Amino acid sequence: KAGVTQTPRYLIKTRGQQVTLSCSPISGHRSVSWYQQTPGQGLQFLFEYFSETQRNKGNFPGRFSGRQFSNSRSEMNVSTLELGDSALYLCASSTGLAGVSDTQYFGPGTRLTVL
Amino acid sequence: AQTVTQSQPEMSVQEAETVTLSCTYDTSESNYYLFWYKQPPSRQMILVIRQEAYKQQNATENRFSVNFQKAAKSFSLKISDSQLGDTAMYFCAFIRGNQFYFGTGTSLTVIP
Repeated sequence: KAGVTQTPRYLIKTRGQQVTLSCSPISGHRSVSWYQQTPGQGLQFLFEYFSETQRNKGNFPGRFSGRQFSNSRSEMNVSTLELGDSALYLCASSTGLAGVSDTQYFGPGTRLTVL
Repeated sequence: AQTVTQSQPEMSVQEAETVTLSCTYDTSESNYYLFWYKQPPSRQMILVIRQEAYKQQNATENRFSVNFQKAAKSFSLKISDSQLGDTAMYFCAFIRGNQFYFGTGTSLTVIP
C-alpha cells in the first residue's frame, strides 16, 4: 500500500500571499489530520477531517482552513501568510477518527518558508 | 498547561547501550492511547510503539519497550541495544478527546 503523500514538498512564499497544501491519505483511510511543526512549538494540531467534514480543530486563527474531498484527499489553505507560518506541515491519515483509531500514519511533510 | 511533557530535550547514548526517554501526560480519562513516534533526520514520522491505557502489561516492540505507570501518568520509552539508525527525534503522543497531543520531543543521538 502506498503511504501518505504530500505535495509540494517545499514551498517559498512571501508575506501576505496564500498557499494550498495537499495530502493524499493511505487508501481506505477516511481521516486526515494536519499538524504544524516548528522548532519552538513542536507539533501542534491544526484540524482533522473525516468523511469530508471537519471534526476537530486546534487553536489556530481562521487564516488556516482546510477541506476534504470525496476520495479522502485533503487540502490545507493558509491565507495572508505571516513570517511565523514558516514551518513543516505534516498530515496524517487513519482509518477512523484519530481519537478512535489506534494510530496515525504520517506523510513526509511540506516545508513552507515565508519570506 | 502542557498536556504531554518530555523533560529531556536532548540525549545521547553509546551504540549497543540502553537509553530511557521520559514522558508524562495529563488526563482525567481512564481509557486512552499513548504513543511514541520517531522522526529521523529525513523527517518522515513513524510509529515506534503504542500502549492502551487499560492494559497493565507494558508494550514491547523488538528493542523498544515502555514503562507505563498509569497512576503516575508516566510513559517512558526504553531502547535496548541502541543502533545508529535510532538517531532521531522522539515524540511522545497522547489522545485526549478526539485530538492527538504531542510532547516537544527528545533528540536522541546514538554515538558510535
